[in-house]
Amino acid sequence: GAGVSQSPRYKVAKRGQDVALRCDPISGHVSLFWYQQALGQGPEFLTYFQNEAQLDKSGLPSDRFFAERPEGSVSTLKIQRTQQEDSAVYLCASSLMVGSHQPQHFGDGTRLSIL
Amino acid sequence: GNSVTQMEGPVTLSEEAFLTINCTYTATGYPSLFWYVQYPGEGLQLLLKATKADDKGSNKGFEATYRKETTSFHLEKGSVQVSDSAVYFCALSDRGDFGNEKLTFGTGTRLTIIP
Repeated sequence: GAGVSQSPRYKVAKRGQDVALRCDPISGHVSLFWYQQALGQGPEFLTYFQNEAQLDKSGLPSDRFFAERPEGSVSTLKIQRTQQEDSAVYLCASSLMVGSHQPQHFGDGTRLSIL
Repeated sequence: GNSVTQMEGPVTLSEEAFLTINCTYTATGYPSLFWYVQYPGEGLQLLLKATKADDKGSNKGFEATYRKETTSFHLEKGSVQVSDSAVYFCALSDRGDFGNEKLTFGTGTRLTIIP
């Protein structure tokens, strides 16, 4: 399919471990977003890329969270020294263009559980 | 800042009943408004959108009208089906400080339709 792909679907880690979550956006999509969805809540914005440039990281909850998109396509969200409050579903979304109120296309998410 | 308030759930209706899920928003600019749906075990999917005042978005029998005067975007369907059982999220996108159109979501409304 040509949708947004995220891997892994599920990740279990012990507190203090580092994790890396991958997002493959729809080919050719310029904008890429990461969101965090806690249980029973709506997604909350983490960070935004326009091609390879990370233009907004205002939603990252701490300096343990780091995201990159080095070639303007695949993106990785890394969480260092994980804590239990990091347990959530992490969603990636992409959209075709900038500034045109285009809808965002979401992946199925990675469910992260920190023990 | 931007915010979205939507009707708390869960909502349980009988098949063929009329559905309304209320959504109001606060935004500093001129946002686009969206309804996303999350079916069990699946990712977020765009249901409908409206990009300016008085626009009506519609899809799969669902409708919502962008009401600037009441800052609302209520979701309606005349006759619901069992297959409409899902979690519904109201969201807005507004140009952020860095030009990105990050989404601000409501908390979601879980809808269950019983035969």
